[in-house]
Amino acid sequence: KQEVTQIPAALSVPEGENLVLNCSFTDSAIYNLQWFRQDPGKGLTSLLLIQSSQREQTSGRLNASLDKSSGRSTLYIAASQPGDSATYLCAVRSSMWGGGADGLTFGKGTHLIIQP
Amino acid sequence: EPEVTQTPSHQVTQMGQEVILRCVPISNHLYFYWYRQILGQKVEFLVSFYNNEISEKSEIFDDQFSVERPDGSNFTLKIRSTKLEDSAMYFCASYLPGSLLNYNSPLHFGNGTRLTVT
Repeated sequence: KQEVTQIPAALSVPEGENLVLNCSFTDSAIYNLQWFRQDPGKGLTSLLLIQSSQREQTSGRLNASLDKSSGRSTLYIAASQPGDSATYLCAVRSSMWGGGADGLTFGKGTHLIIQP
Repeated sequence: EPEVTQTPSHQVTQMGQEVILRCVPISNHLYFYWYRQILGQKVEFLVSFYNNEISEKSEIFDDQFSVERPDGSNFTLKIRSTKLEDSAMYFCASYLPGSLLNYNSPLHFGNGTRLTVT
């Protein structure tokens, strides 16, 4: 059974810092990995999707990397801003259709606070 | 950009009552899902739906739960007799693989319905 772990559980940094969020998964047989942002009491906003054959994806100040063989992904946020404050979730797809016990498995998230 | 919409955003109900959570997936998507997130916990898979039938369901999805696609646009989750432990945020998601050979497109999630059972 796929397990996804995110470290740290919470992070508070001053504005302007670059930071790295970590995600690890136990079964390297994945199709893709998706990073989401969740604001308090809100839905899931997809940030980046990395296919299993890719090493990284970039969107603006965000860069996600994937090391499938070691079961790790990182989300790098450059020049952090107070508006980046949210919970960041990592989710791994282990089956083609994204459902089921081996479908889309989420980590518990990293709660990020950017201090002005 | 097309999005998944869910209504209501917040539902309060008494224990034992039936609730229906509604979702409008992205119009050309083929696969539909319900996930839930109990406060402070991980997002958990409930059920997936394809071609007008359930394709997979988790052990959480017992006989109290049902899903339906009553028309070409809506996708609903019904909880027949709610329990206190059903209180959670429920997310609907939809997905369209580019083709059967290209499954690497993201699941699109709605903003969720917060269900509070009192």
